[in-house]
Amino acid sequence: QMQLQESGPGLVKPSQTLSLTCTVSGGSISSSDYSWSWLRQLPGKGLEWIGYIFYSGSTSYHPSLRSRITISVDTSTNQFSLRLNSVTAADTAMYYCARDHYDFWSDSPAVAFDIWGQGTMVTVSS
Amino acid sequence: QSALTQPPSASGSPGQSVTISCTGTSSDYVSWFQQHPGKAPKLMISEVNERPSGVPDRFSGSKSGNTASLTVSGLQAEDEADYYCSSYGGNNNVLFGGGTKLTVL
Repeated sequence: QMQLQESGPGLVKPSQTLSLTCTVSGGSISSSDYSWSWLRQLPGKGLEWIGYIFYSGSTSYHPSLRSRITISVDTSTNQFSLRLNSVTAADTAMYYCARDHYDFWSDSPAVAFDIWGQGTMVTVSS
Repeated sequence: QSALTQPPSASGSPGQSVTISCTGTSSDYVSWFQQHPGKAPKLMISEVNERPSGVPDRFSGSKSGNTASLTVSGLQAEDEADYYCSSYGGNNNVLFGGGTKLTVL
């Protein structure tokens, strides 16, 4: 059974770069049926999609975060990663990685995030 | 401000049915997620009305125009949670609603 696990620092200083990794176990990240997403949830708030990546390395990012985000994939280690630059206190959130399905026929993500990591809390503070 | 609009709260007594709306869904790719406090979200409905394996058939989804709905029938205490809708927003963008807190009275 596939599982996802986030890892990375829980505390990041303002203006620095937030870096997280999601390790996929129990299955291969190199499947054309799926995309691999990062999402976050600000304290007491709703969910926000950050972006996704395919095993090929093709990406799509949230319009408002696009200038600060890089999502990458390493198929040899079955991991994908998030880098968010120039963080502020507004980036303090629970960060999740998740698997989605992709409909290549309609060229659309299915937004059916069916497997999630447990989440990792990242606080931006000096 | 969320791109999809949900009511902030909904409630019902055990055994009753409750429906949560989600306005602004222009795609047939609409999902619903259940989130209990301190837990990761769980997929309850995908593609408007598809239930993943293991989700009770008390949960159902529908869509009319640009409004999707999640109905929980035969409410149980464990259904008390936050519910989020999500939809494909075009141009490879994914949208979420602000969430609805469901209270079982």
